[in-house]
Amino acid sequence: AQTVTQSQPEMSVQEAETVTLSCTYDTSENNYYLFWYKQPPSRQMILVIRQEAYKQQNATENRFSVNFQKAAKSFSLKISDSQLGDTAMYFCALPQRPSGAGSYQLTFGKGTKLSVIP
Amino acid sequence: GAGVSQSPRYKVTKRGQDVALRCDPISGHVSLYWYRQALGQGPEFLTYFNYEAQQDKSGLPNDRFSAERPEGSISTLTIQRTEQRDSAMYRCASSLELFSYNEQFFGPGTRLTVL
Repeated sequence: AQTVTQSQPEMSVQEAETVTLSCTYDTSENNYYLFWYKQPPSRQMILVIRQEAYKQQNATENRFSVNFQKAAKSFSLKISDSQLGDTAMYFCALPQRPSGAGSYQLTFGKGTKLSVIP
Repeated sequence: GAGVSQSPRYKVTKRGQDVALRCDPISGHVSLYWYRQALGQGPEFLTYFNYEAQQDKSGLPNDRFSAERPEGSISTLTIQRTEQRDSAMYRCASSLELFSYNEQFFGPGTRLTVL
């Protein structure tokens, strides 16, 4: 069974500073993706960034980047120049595609509540 | 264009009543997923459809839960004889294609409270 672990229930960061959210996972698949989702107070679920496991280069989306270490099964999210709008729950997610299936289900971590302090 | 929509947004019901939660995916999206999110937790997979076919219902907690997507578009998640432990946010998501890891777009959720 796949597992996703986020060991930091809550974190805070000063506005304009950098923060890193941790995620570790376990999977038996060789070719997979990893996702970070953001859930602001509005309770929407918004995809922040994705990483393909076979790519060595870490993914980057504007102020968001990942540190992907495949051997260590670690997938951390770095937020640079934190903004008040970054205040949200952040979920790490690992897709699981059953053999022969056309789609995948997501396994989520328990989340990290990030507060950006003015 | 319109995103994934869900209705109702909030549902309060009494224990023992049946409830039906509706999901309207993004037009043309092949796959539709249902997740349940308890307070302070990440979403947990319930079931999913490719077109109108239910592919996997291994995440449904018990036989009081069922889902359908008869025409490959709108889906309904039904909970019979609701119990207080069913209280949660129920989220629907849809994705465009099969055999890819394209994004799952989530709806706003239905917050279910069972009294």
